Amino acid sequence: TQLLEQSPQFLSIQEGENLTVYCNSSSVFSSLQWYRQEPGEGPVLLVTVVTGGEVKKLKRLTFQFGDARKDSSLHITAAQTGDTGLYLCAGGGSTLGRLYFGRGTQLTVWP
Amino acid sequence: DAGITQSPRYKITETGRQVTLMCHQTWSHSYMFWYRQDLGHGLRLIYYSAAADITDKGEVPDGYVVSRSKTENFPLTLESATRSQTSVYFCASSFGTGGTQPQHFGDGTRLSIL
Repeated sequence: TQLLEQSPQFLSIQEGENLTVYCNSSSVFSSLQWYRQEPGEGPVLLVTVVTGGEVKKLKRLTFQFGDARKDSSLHITAAQTGDTGLYLCAGGGSTLGRLYFGRGTQLTVWP
Repeated sequence: DAGITQSPRYKITETGRQVTLMCHQTWSHSYMFWYRQDLGHGLRLIYYSAAADITDKGEVPDGYVVSRSKTENFPLTLESATRSQTSVYFCASSFGTGGTQPQHFGDGTRLSIL
């Protein structure tokens, strides 16, 4: 059973378009992390959100944590080819010794 | 250089053989993790460790053995490799509680079992 569901699984868009990736769960997490993974490399942390309703911006990327801390979204404005990669969300908490990862969204941005 | 290093990067072996994947980190992070990544399954946790001599099972521990005699090393052993264990294996570490701190990943070991 997958604790975190990500959608869509695949996303293929043209450079300059906007997109949103979703990460949903029926469980409450005290923190939600987003990672990006490029081919041949391990995932790299993009952001951590810890407060319900929190919004964080990283240049053209906007991350939101749901009010109930069960879901999160990643919005990319004016996508660039360099945004291509696998985006993973991961939920955790202070009483957990580990993170729970979603299956990821594979984003391809075409020139 | 500080970081997390996995070796080997690529390994081909035969069914029934024992193989050990190495992971070394230089940050003195208390938590270390082993994941496998397969198409359609994402990252699945095999084992993790909160400190030296403390290990715990993840979602898919069967067929794998870990040890952590030193904080900086966390080797993963496949005692008798099977084709279903063909995968890309990632080691990660984190400072503090494993459920809240960011995890730092190695570049992975691509393992093929023939």
